[in-house]
Amino acid sequence: QSVLTQPPSVSGAPGQRVTISCTGSSSNIGAGYDVHWYQQLPGTAPKLLIYGNSNRPSGVPDRFSGSKSGTSASLAITGLQAEDEADYYCQSYDSSLSGFRVFGGGTKLTVL
Amino acid sequence: EVQLVESGGGLVQPGGSLRLSCAASGFTFSSYWMSWVRQAPGKGLEWVANIKQDGSEKYYVDSVKGRFTISRDNAKNSLYLQMNSLRAEDTAVYYCARDHPDYSNYDYWGQGTLVTVSS
Repeated sequence: QSVLTQPPSVSGAPGQRVTISCTGSSSNIGAGYDVHWYQQLPGTAPKLLIYGNSNRPSGVPDRFSGSKSGTSASLAITGLQAEDEADYYCQSYDSSLSGFRVFGGGTKLTVL
Repeated sequence: EVQLVESGGGLVQPGGSLRLSCAASGFTFSSYWMSWVRQAPGKGLEWVANIKQDGSEKYYVDSVKGRFTISRDNAKNSLYLQMNSLRAEDTAVYYCARDHPDYSNYDYWGQGTLVTVSS
């Protein structure tokens, strides 16, 4: 059971827009801690996709955007492409756990 | 170019030990917190441990406290994870990751090394 809750899977057709939610609690996202997102392509290491809720590292297309409100955050992907098919993880900081940094369970994005 | 290269994984029996290494290059290693993050087969990501720039602070997830030890050698630009009393549930790909200097996240990851605990 992950501290942050994500849907197990989402899907969309090429060119469409999809969103992935990440729900936390008052000890992590709701406490004001930043949310970060990672993309993990099949068989590879995770890659930082969004940091500080809505910032993109250099090289990440602007088709990817992040937002946060209350105890939840969202990752939006517009103009879906086949190469976006991957697992996506949200991550934040939790003040109530000795683990400090917590992840969501991951969401598998399928491009139809 | 930032590079993190893990090594040391393999098959080990329950109760056994293993030492993972991570060779860092392309950045000033001694200026960054570093972490180990693992991923069990078909599962999600789990932070395991992290260590301050000078090694003076170390933190562990509860499930590995007392069994795993994180350390670093800044002269060798290397990060380590000594894993003792290994259990089947420790089976995972272990990633070395650099902590972002301003945010509580990981801005660079290694390719990972697989640890399998089985008899």
